[in-house]
Amino acid sequence: QAGLTQPPSVSKDLRQTATLTCTGNSNNVGYQGAVWLQQHQGHPPKVLSDRNNNRPAGISERFAASRSGSTASLTISGIQPEDEADYYCSAWDSILRGVVFGGGTKLAVL
Amino acid sequence: EVQLVESGGGLVQPGGSLRLSCAASGFTLSPYWMDWVRQAPGKGLEWVATIKEDGSDKFYVDSVKGRFTISRDNAKNSVSLQMNSLRAEDTAIYYCANIFGAGYWGQGTLVTVSS
Repeated sequence: QAGLTQPPSVSKDLRQTATLTCTGNSNNVGYQGAVWLQQHQGHPPKVLSDRNNNRPAGISERFAASRSGSTASLTISGIQPEDEADYYCSAWDSILRGVVFGGGTKLAVL
Repeated sequence: EVQLVESGGGLVQPGGSLRLSCAASGFTLSPYWMDWVRQAPGKGLEWVATIKEDGSDKFYVDSVKGRFTISRDNAKNSVSLQMNSLRAEDTAIYYCANIFGAGYWGQGTLVTVSS
């Protein structure tokens, strides 16, 4: 099953801003949007943003999700050391009738 | 406190079976579609299966169709994954999750398929 496309890695200095992208098509990201997940090594994923780009309670305002057509974006502002993690996007695919994930972006904080 | 707690993982030989369970506490599963997602060692997230809120429809990734069965018991606030004919490539941490609803994820349970 085809997945969503994410850059494998991004490196940013402390306090900079990073924008992570997730590209799909009109059957998935362009259909109902994407969820963004953060995963630290050895821990389960944590939702940063739902398909409507809303943050769950307790998620920092430094994480902002958006979407333009079939591309979803996650902007992380004022990057902190604890932001070093893997970031995944996920969407429901209406044609495949299943969930598709991106391959993940590893964010390195320099 | 909301929790999804998976159980049932372990070491199994190729061709064997395991049944994973996911118990929810602190919230009610019944309104939500529920998912199983796995992560092989050092790899990304892979969707495995989804079940609708009333169990009326189930969806699977191609690689597990015919081998895995997702089910739920809303009265017991739980979801299960029956895994048969296991292969080495099924080795992974298996997470119970509510990806598109409330967004809850369990801690995961490790399944190792090896002789």
